[in-house]
Order: sequence, then structure tokens, then C-alpha cells
Amino acid sequence: DQQVKQNSPSLSVQEGRISILNCDYTNSMFDYFLWYKKYPAEGPTFLISISSIKDKNEDGRFTVFLNKSAKHLSLHIVPSQPGDSAVYFCAASDLGYGQNFVFGPGTRLSVLP
Amino acid sequence: DSGVTQTPKHLITATGQRVTLRCSPRSGDLSVYWYQQSLDQGLQFLIQYYNGEERAKGNILERFSAQQFPDLHSELNLSSLELGDSALYFCASSDGSGANVLTFGAGSRLTVL
Repeated sequence: DQQVKQNSPSLSVQEGRISILNCDYTNSMFDYFLWYKKYPAEGPTFLISISSIKDKNEDGRFTVFLNKSAKHLSLHIVPSQPGDSAVYFCAASDLGYGQNFVFGPGTRLSVLP
Repeated sequence: DSGVTQTPKHLITATGQRVTLRCSPRSGDLSVYWYQQSLDQGLQFLIQYYNGEERAKGNILERFSAQQFPDLHSELNLSSLELGDSALYFCASSDGSGANVLTFGAGSRLTVL
């Protein structure tokens, strides 16, 4: 039973354009969400987070949008750069329960020059 | 360097054997998490410790066990190894308080032959 879903295993985008990565969750108790980026042979690195009291959070080229009613969040990368090519994981947590972070299966983003 | 140290980086062993993976959390972090990533799969949560105590358990097999020591480092013990245990094992740490971020190590790649 996947509580966090990333239905697109892969995504290709032209350099300079917008990348949109999507994530859906099923557990309504989740109230804190994060995006991680992972390069081959490295551990995941934190990108951006959002709590359920917000619907948008920006950090430079990265913006995360949260739609609580739809249990959906998305990561926008503008403009996309070749160095953004990586696997992106969405993660969710119920802050009231042991800080257990549940990760989605990941989306492989390829930014083409 | 994320500050989370995992050893060994690579490990090759045979079915039926037992191995121990070690993790030193980032300085100041009290919570340690273990995740398993099998080939092209997402990050599966195994177990979490906070200041020496088990806090949350995920899909951890009975053949696997973990502990967190007084100096806060953690070990993940995998026994009676099977071919399907071949995977990347990631350790992550956090300060365990409020809405925070997991910091991952580079992972230990286990190959069972």
C-alpha cells in the first residue's frame, strides 16, 4: 500500500524550460512534505520542504505547491538546467507520530541541453 | 560531505552470511533512520531510533535488527542473507524535533552472491 505516489517514473525536459514533478499521497495525517534529489552513487540531498499550513514555498529556481484537498503536491523547477538531471523523491511525514518519513518511488528527471 | 558517515561503502558477501552496517549521524542529531533502496526502487523505511530508543518501525524483516548506541552511532545487522537483500542501505539523521530535515549518508551497497 503506497502512501506516497509519484506516478511518472521519468520525465524529460529541454534546458531552460519548466520541469514539473508530481506527487500524490493518501494519508490525510501527513502534514509535512519534502523533496529530495539524488544523483547516482550518492545519498539523497534535501531540496525544499512545505508544511501543511502553507500552499506554496519557494527557494530560488525551486517552488513546491501543496493542494491539501487533492492530497497532491508538485515541484516546479524554472529554468531547468542540465545539472538538475537526477532522481527526485517526494517524502511525507506525520509530525505527530515519530517523524517517520515516507518516500515515494522517485521520478527520474532528464534535462536535455 | 553531508556529515552522516556510513561504512562500509561497498560489501560483497554470500547467501546465509551476516553483515553489519554502521552509521555515524551528523553532529548534534539524535535521531537515526535506516532506509533500503533496491534496484530502481524507492526508499523503503526500515527503522528509526531516537537517542538510543526505537521510535518507529517500518518494513524491516525479522532477519534484520538495529540499535543505536550511547554515542548515537547506529548499526544495522543483516543476517541469513538472501539474494534479494542486495540493495543500497541508507542511513539518515535528524535532530528529532519539530519539522526538520533528514540528512542522508552516501549509502552502503550490499551485494549478496
